[in-house]
Parts: sequence; structure tokens; C-alpha cells
Amino acid sequence: GAGVSQSPRYKVAKRGQDVALRCDPISGHVSLFWYQQALGQGPEFLTYFQNEAQLDKSGLPSDRFFAERPEGSVSTLKIQRTQQEDSAVYLCASSLGARANTGELFFGEGSRLTVL
Amino acid sequence: GENVEQHPSTLSVQEGDSAVIKCTYSDSASNYFPWYKQELGKGPQLIIDIRSNVGEKKDQRIAVTLNKTAKHFSLHITETQPEDSAVYFCAASKGNNDMRFGAGTRLTVKP
Repeated sequence: GAGVSQSPRYKVAKRGQDVALRCDPISGHVSLFWYQQALGQGPEFLTYFQNEAQLDKSGLPSDRFFAERPEGSVSTLKIQRTQQEDSAVYLCASSLGARANTGELFFGEGSRLTVL
Repeated sequence: GENVEQHPSTLSVQEGDSAVIKCTYSDSASNYFPWYKQELGKGPQLIIDIRSNVGEKKDQRIAVTLNKTAKHFSLHITETQPEDSAVYFCAASKGNNDMRFGAGTRLTVKP
């Protein structure tokens, strides 16, 4: 497709379950970012990939969060043993350039995770 | 690390009036300041950006100003229309992987 695609759009999980969120970035985009957006807040940085390399994971809130981009295109954000505080919209963004300030970030529509 | 403050959190204007949203940042090394518009159920979309070597940039009804000394930047929307209603986010980046966003301003344009 022409834009960043995320799936699933909505996910309801019971506390303790593992979830996996998928991001298909724009073809050819070098940079891929994951953000967490709580209700009524701005996006909070989670992690960054440059091609297949995860260069920054400083924003991941705990070791229950894991992200990968094995072939430098599709990325998966995995959350293990989900907690209620993990409920949020998870946004994926891609960029043609190699750094956050080199151009536009193109965002997907997000995956809304609700943990019961 | 960088801290971006945005205000107001909500803004209601009459159609045709102007709207101004202000942001401050803490890290003087930040050099790229984009503004994103987020409609309900959508991801943020870039509407305008400015770099630290420029003081003002305009694109039709939208303009952004940057004061590096005071470390603040503002979004100006003139002749507002109902379709401008959305949540607007400012952000700041200093060239690394981290772009920090403000908490957002919910703009409502009343017809």
C-alpha cells in the first residue's frame, strides 16, 4: 500500500496474555519508529530501527516489551504478560531518512490495545 | 532529555478566526520542529515543520514561528475552517532517533 499499515487495529487482551502488533512501513523507508500514545497524550517514543538494526530501545518501559525488524521492512512489537497500564494506542512511523530530523515521519493509524 | 510543553490543551474558535498554539522545549540542541495533526482514529500527519536556521515558515493558512533564544515555537492557523478541528501536536528533535512530542491541543472550530 501507499502508507504505513498496522494490524490489528484493535486488540483486547486479558491481563497476563502476550500480544504482537505488526507494522508494515512504506517500502524503502530506512527508519522505523514505535510510539506509545496514552489517552489524551502525545506519542511517547519506544524504539527505533534503522533498517534491521535496533539502534535505540531506550523508551521501552520494561523488559516485557520487545521489538524486531528482522529483514529491515516489517516490524513487530511484542508485549509479554500484558498489564492494565499497557493499554494505549501503539503507533508505528517510518521515514525515508536515517534520522528523526531528516524528514517527515509517516504514521500508521495505530493499534489500540486494551488490557482487561 | 528533551521536554516539550504545549498549551493550551483545548482551544475553541469561531470559523474564520485565527488559532495559535504554543510550545516550549528544553534542549537547546534541538534543531527540527514539526507540527502534526491527528484526526479521530487516525495517526498523526505532518502539516508543517521548521528547522532551527529559520525563524518563520508559512504554507497557505498555516504558519510556524521559532524563537531559539526563548526556546519556543508556535503554530498559527488563519481563517479557520471546521475541517481544521483535530488534535495538534508539536514536536522537537535534535537529530538523533528521538522525537519528543507535546501533549497535544484539541482545536474545535465552530461553524
